[in-house]
Order: sequence, then structure tokens, then C-alpha cells
Amino acid sequence: EVQLVESGGGLVQPGGSLRLSCAASGFSFSTSWMHWVRQAPGKGPVWVSRISSDGTITNYVDSVKGRLTISRDNTRNTLYLQLSSLRVEDTAVYYCIRPTNNAFVDWGQGTQVTVSS
Amino acid sequence: QSPLTQPASVSGSSGQSITISCTGSSSDVGSYKFVSWYQQHPGKAPKLIIYEANKRPSGVSYRFSGSRSGNTASLTISGLQAEDEADYYCCSYAGSSTWVFGGGTKLTVL
Repeated sequence: EVQLVESGGGLVQPGGSLRLSCAASGFSFSTSWMHWVRQAPGKGPVWVSRISSDGTITNYVDSVKGRLTISRDNTRNTLYLQLSSLRVEDTAVYYCIRPTNNAFVDWGQGTQVTVSS
Repeated sequence: QSPLTQPASVSGSSGQSITISCTGSSSDVGSYKFVSWYQQHPGKAPKLIIYEANKRPSGVSYRFSGSRSGNTASLTISGLQAEDEADYYCCSYAGSSTWVFGGGTKLTVL
């Protein structure tokens, strides 16, 4: 059974930083591309970032380029998202996702990030 | 990277059919078959119900079907049941290794 467990969210002031983690199990993590998607309260999901299986290719939505960094550690089966220079509009639940067939098949339970002074 | 356009809400009586539209552009829905649909119940993560515009993942009810024509994709739910009441989101590959979601549609089963 695929399991994705996010952690690391919390309350942070504008301009602050956080590192989110996603512990993966139940599938071959080292051969899977992975994504982060976020969802602000009462809003639709927004695709944020993607990383290749070996970590050499990364992609981002324009609104987070330069502030969010996706990475992975295949020895630990863990996906990361470093959030920096956080803004109020970054407040959301952040989901770690395993894709299949160009769709977002397996989702974690999400971790809440709240940016507020 | 503008969000795909969905109606804010739709409703239908138990047993009826409803269709939710998802309108994009020639840069996303109109160019790629990689349109997917997600069902989200309150407090839960979204769940994939349609991929590649019209394919159902294993375990998803046959009552859910999808289609795509031009810049618009559609999700049809037949034989509405109380448990279908949820938020529904479409998503499309948008080129250049990016994806775009819709704003969501709240389905009410009367």
C-alpha cells in the first residue's frame, strides 16, 4: 500500500522559512517522479513543483520560483520542499503526490502551513 | 497559468445525472489529453476519479465518466448518490512541465 506522510508544517511569520518532508513507502520511491500541490483554505488545489526520480530535473509554478525548492533523498525515501521568503498567500495545506499516467494518483494527508504575523 | 474555469456549484436529485464543465485554453485542455478529475470530501485529500480525460482508475465507480472536446473537458456523474456530494476539481497538463487545476465545483445531492 502506498503511503505518503507529510510533516514540517506550522505557523511562521512573513519572510520566514520552513522545510516540509514527505516520507514515502509502499512503492519504488527511487524510480518515481514526485510532486507537491498546495490548497489554500476554500480554494482549489494549485500545482507547485515536480522533481525527477533522480532529483536532477525540477519544475515550479511561476509564483514560487526562487522561493520554494524541491529536493529528495532516495536513500531515506523522503521528498522535501524548502519554503523561503514566505508570504501570507503561501498559507495552504501542502500535499505530497505520486503521479501515474500524468495524473495525481496517490496523495498524502497534507501538512498545514500558515503564514501570519 | 490561469486556473481552469468550473461552475461554482451544481446540484441534482438522487438518481439523476449531472455534468460539470471545465474550460481551459488551447495551451492546456485544448492541446493535451492529460485532463484529470478529483473528488474531495471535507477535510480529506482529493481523490483521482478520471485520468487522461476519460479513463477511470481501478476501483472508481462506472457512474463517473469524462470527456474532452476542444478547450473544454466534462465530468458526468450518473445515478447520483448521497455520497457523491463533494467538491470536484479538474486538472490539465499545461505544457512546459506545469499543471493547472480548476477552481472547483461543489456538488449538492438533493
